[in-house]
Amino acid sequence: EAQVTQNPRYLITVTGKKLTVTCSQNMNHEYMSWYRQDPGLGLRQIYYSMNVEVTDKGDVPEGYKVSRKEKRNFPLILESPSPNQTSLYFCASSLYKGGSYEQYFGPGTRLTVT
Amino acid sequence: LAKTTQPISMDSYEGQEVNITCSHNNIATNDYITWYQQFPSQGPRFIIQGYKTKVTNEVASLFIPADRKSSTLSLPRVSLSDTAVYYCLSGGAGSYQLTFGKGTKLSVIP
Repeated sequence: EAQVTQNPRYLITVTGKKLTVTCSQNMNHEYMSWYRQDPGLGLRQIYYSMNVEVTDKGDVPEGYKVSRKEKRNFPLILESPSPNQTSLYFCASSLYKGGSYEQYFGPGTRLTVT
Repeated sequence: LAKTTQPISMDSYEGQEVNITCSHNNIATNDYITWYQQFPSQGPRFIIQGYKTKVTNEVASLFIPADRKSSTLSLPRVSLSDTAVYYCLSGGAGSYQLTFGKGTKLSVIP
């Protein structure tokens, strides 16, 4: 089954404790991205990757890091989480870059930073 | 970078047709317009996409006027299961960065 998976689905952590949210897709997609979703603000893109070893900042990259060492995986790293990073996070992938290609979203990761 | 504006919320009764409009400021010549649907506790999913005029699939219709500055998602005869948040997105083949609208929360009333 074609899908995007994220782990963990739920995470509660404390300020400053490094964490990684994993994202994996099995569709051989080149383009992957991370979004955060907050009430009233919709989906905001954090980082995106056009292909292996090629990443760039989205609209809200501060406090986040990403890496793309393999085509299928695109982890999101919070090296020193803060309470304002409490949010719902979605990973997405598409065949190629650009809005003309359908974005496939993962199920989401709900992160709470205390 | 293309920006989109859409209503925050809409209410509709079951069985009615619902039209949700999105404004696409600064839409570029090669930008496509795409709509996504999101249910609570799920990731958004693709509904429909178009470039100009009208596109119809088994779920919805998409109307795009000649100037392409706006788009209208039309949901025929909505049911309670259509209660969701709907996002519009404009972006072209050259768009590395994607910017979604803030979403329209549709509530279908029995």
